[in-house]
Amino acid sequence: RKEVEQDPGPFNVPEGATVAFNCTYSNSASQSFFWYRQDCRKEPKLLMSVYSSGNEDGRFTAQLNRASQYISLLIRDSKLSDSATYLCVVNSRSGGFKTIFGAGTRLFVKA
Amino acid sequence: ETGVTQTPRHLVMGMTNKKSLKCEQHLGHNAMYWYKQSAKKPLELMFVYSLEERVENNSVPSRFSPECPNSSHLFLHLHTLQPEDSALYLCASSQEVGAGFSYEQYFGPGTRLTVT
Repeated sequence: RKEVEQDPGPFNVPEGATVAFNCTYSNSASQSFFWYRQDCRKEPKLLMSVYSSGNEDGRFTAQLNRASQYISLLIRDSKLSDSATYLCVVNSRSGGFKTIFGAGTRLFVKA
Repeated sequence: ETGVTQTPRHLVMGMTNKKSLKCEQHLGHNAMYWYKQSAKKPLELMFVYSLEERVENNSVPSRFSPECPNSSHLFLHLHTLQPEDSALYLCASSQEVGAGFSYEQYFGPGTRLTVT
């Protein structure tokens, strides 16, 4: 089992749709969680951290479920500019520092 | 954005060449990282430095040699690479090395390396 697994893409959605991505992780000692966005042939950019209480930033909502070991990202009212690959990242300190990136979920938002 | 810069942006080298990738961060961070991103594969962490000391080396072949002369600069020295080393090499920095939420990483634009 991979340490971090994401929904296989691509997701193709119309503008204005709501789309949700999940990411599961295997290390129960994981401490921090993030969503990054990566545009084609560009570097990953931090989208948001994922806190235990959940957090929201405009149209984006991130949730953490420690019991089931997954994080989620919800995008409401999708825009064309949301088209990108979304990467989940899980950090842990057990056995040394580890930062694990998921393989990413590709999102296409179409007019 | 100029928080983390990398040079060169593109590099083509032969298997017998020696070259170096450079990364500089202007964020006042203490930790720097090298990642490799191959086509259709997740980012792979290669090296981590904290205050110029290497804290992680994820079983990277010795043909990749990192150097961190100070907390703002990071180099990746390359020699006798293989075609399968062709990838996007990304540098990142964070406030500290740690697993807490304060330690989110910021990436440079990457160097796209092609080994012929």
